[in-house]
Amino acid sequence: DQQVKQNSPSLSVQEGRISILNCDYTNSMFDYFLWYKKYPAEGPTFLISISSIKDKNEDGRFTVFLNKSAKHLSLHIVPSQPGDSAVYFCAASMNTGNQFYFGTGTSLTVIP
Amino acid sequence: DSGVTQTPKHLITATGQRVTLRCSPRSGDLSVYWYQQSLDQGLQFLIQYYNGEERAKGNILERFSAQQFPDLHSELNLSSLELGDSALYFCASSGYRADQETQYFGPGTRLLVL
Repeated sequence: DQQVKQNSPSLSVQEGRISILNCDYTNSMFDYFLWYKKYPAEGPTFLISISSIKDKNEDGRFTVFLNKSAKHLSLHIVPSQPGDSAVYFCAASMNTGNQFYFGTGTSLTVIP
Repeated sequence: DSGVTQTPKHLITATGQRVTLRCSPRSGDLSVYWYQQSLDQGLQFLIQYYNGEERAKGNILERFSAQQFPDLHSELNLSSLELGDSALYFCASSGYRADQETQYFGPGTRLLVL
């Protein structure tokens, strides 16, 4: 049972525009959410996180929004750059040290 | 470089065989997680160890087993291999970044079962 879902397998965006990647979850006990970026032939790397006590977290060009009532989070990348082209995974967990649940990933292509 | 190392990088073997994947966590991290990523699939959690003890179990087959040693490195053993076991296997260790826990992933081991 996939508790974290990324329903868009791929997304293409022009350089300089906004990229919006979406993620939905089913378990209301999740209280911590993360986004990872993965290049081919490499392991995922941590990008940004948000705890359930917040609804927004920003780090440079990356902003994560959390809508707890809708069980939805999104990652905004502004402005998008060709180097952002990668697969993005969202993940969720409940309580420190427990299992992290990952989505299936969205492949982002930023077109120069 | 995440600080998590995995060996080997690539592994080609035949059905029915047994292989061992190795992972060393970041210095100071006590938790090790194993994940499987098959083609077009997300990261499937297999198992977690914390300071030598099994902490959580995910979708790990009975043919697979893991352990964490006193020096905190971990091994994932895959036996009676099938074609469908071909995948990327990632190891991660958990640590804190700006007071938030996150997982740091190794580069993965690509397993091909022929």
